[in-house]
Amino acid sequence: QKEVEQNSGPLSVPEGAIASLNCTYSDRGSQSFFWYRQYSGKSPELIMFIYSNGDKEDGRFTAQLNKASQYVSLLIRDSQPSDSATYLCAVIQGAQKLVFGQGTRLTINP
Amino acid sequence: NAGVMQNPRHLVRRRGQEARLRCSPMKGHSHVYWYRQLPEEGLKFMVYLQKENIIDESGMPKERFSAEFPKEGPSILRIQQVVRGDSAAYFCASSSDRVTEAFFGQGTRLTVV
Repeated sequence: QKEVEQNSGPLSVPEGAIASLNCTYSDRGSQSFFWYRQYSGKSPELIMFIYSNGDKEDGRFTAQLNKASQYVSLLIRDSQPSDSATYLCAVIQGAQKLVFGQGTRLTINP
Repeated sequence: NAGVMQNPRHLVRRRGQEARLRCSPMKGHSHVYWYRQLPEEGLKFMVYLQKENIIDESGMPKERFSAEFPKEGPSILRIQQVVRGDSAAYFCASSSDRVTEAFFGQGTRLTVV
């Protein structure tokens, strides 16, 4: 079982709709969860992190964490073509190691 | 304040040659992390270093790969006797303290021909 699993996609969403990205993790002791966005040929950039069960909102982005189900999601409201990218879910393992999922490729269709 | 600087951005090596990838962390950052990304895959942790110390190298292949972060100068990821399977994007990240506050460089894209 992979430590962090994501559906690789591609996920196609019409402009203006809500994009929903999902991630599951295997280590029940994981405490910190991250969503990165990576444009093609570019470096990952941090969008959000979440530590506590429930929702965390930042602008058009909402991260949701359910530790009982070992599930993290990212919702993007009012999707824009500029949101088209690969979204990487990550958890911290040990003290300082980020473990990434394989990423979900998202395409927003105008 | 310049970000994390990696060079070269693109590197082509023939099989059997050595590849040296450099990473200059952000000013004030003393923690460096190296990740490898194969085409269409996520980032795989390789090594975590602090100045003059390797803290966690659990993701480093046992042979041909080494990393250092000297007291002065950039962190270096060295790959000896490269093979085609080493072709990937290598990303470096740095932080001042916790990895939660790490910033990534633009990466070095290594192509082995």
